[in-house]
Amino acid sequence: DAKTTQPTSMDCAEGRAANLPCNHSTISGNEYVYWYRQIHSQGPQYIIHGLKNNETNEMASLIITEDRKSSTLILPHATLRDTAVYYCIVRGPNNAGNMLTFGGGTRLMVKP
Amino acid sequence: NAGVTQTPKFRVLKTGQSMTLLCAQDMNHEYMYWYRQDPGMGLRLIHYSVGEGTTAKGEVPDGYNVSRLKKQNFLLGLESAAPSQTSVYFCASSRQGVYGYTFGSGTRLTVV
Repeated sequence: DAKTTQPTSMDCAEGRAANLPCNHSTISGNEYVYWYRQIHSQGPQYIIHGLKNNETNEMASLIITEDRKSSTLILPHATLRDTAVYYCIVRGPNNAGNMLTFGGGTRLMVKP
Repeated sequence: NAGVTQTPKFRVLKTGQSMTLLCAQDMNHEYMYWYRQDPGMGLRLIHYSVGEGTTAKGEVPDGYNVSRLKKQNFLLGLESAAPSQTSVYFCASSRQGVYGYTFGSGTRLTVV
């Protein structure tokens, strides 16, 4: 599975959009991009995933560049409860057991 | 619908003692996983299972054993606990395919 690079930390003002970048320049054509977040001391929470097209759900939007070498997770109206570590993970469909490898993630701090 | 339930939530062990962590899911998921997370670190995969009666090693399997006798349960055993196994343990489950994981709330284990 391709490796990902994320900024270590980011700040965002409450009510504004939080844009979290992820670089995955070695991604293969059949690998998906997944986003999870972990609020302090809790289990990670699945947010969204995508292959090529942009995706949106009730939590966030995922924008994948046309060359698929990077993506951005967008939280449209960040709240204090969105303060968490956000993990970007790339995984192929033929990965045995659907295993996910977590990196360091981005620590997002939403400030009043 | 409880999702993924982990028991116990907290435990303190003495070096050399044994214990079993239980993970139960009620979503009929095929795949189940055990991760550990050390302070300030990302999650690391210990063992996983792609179905009832099957298990496989992850990134850090040494010192742990697992069993999946029933589809809904995945047990993690420590035969002889060591201080290096002090960590937060997370269980997760997923459907087969490109779906996200559902995580439990974690077991905080301290080995003294």
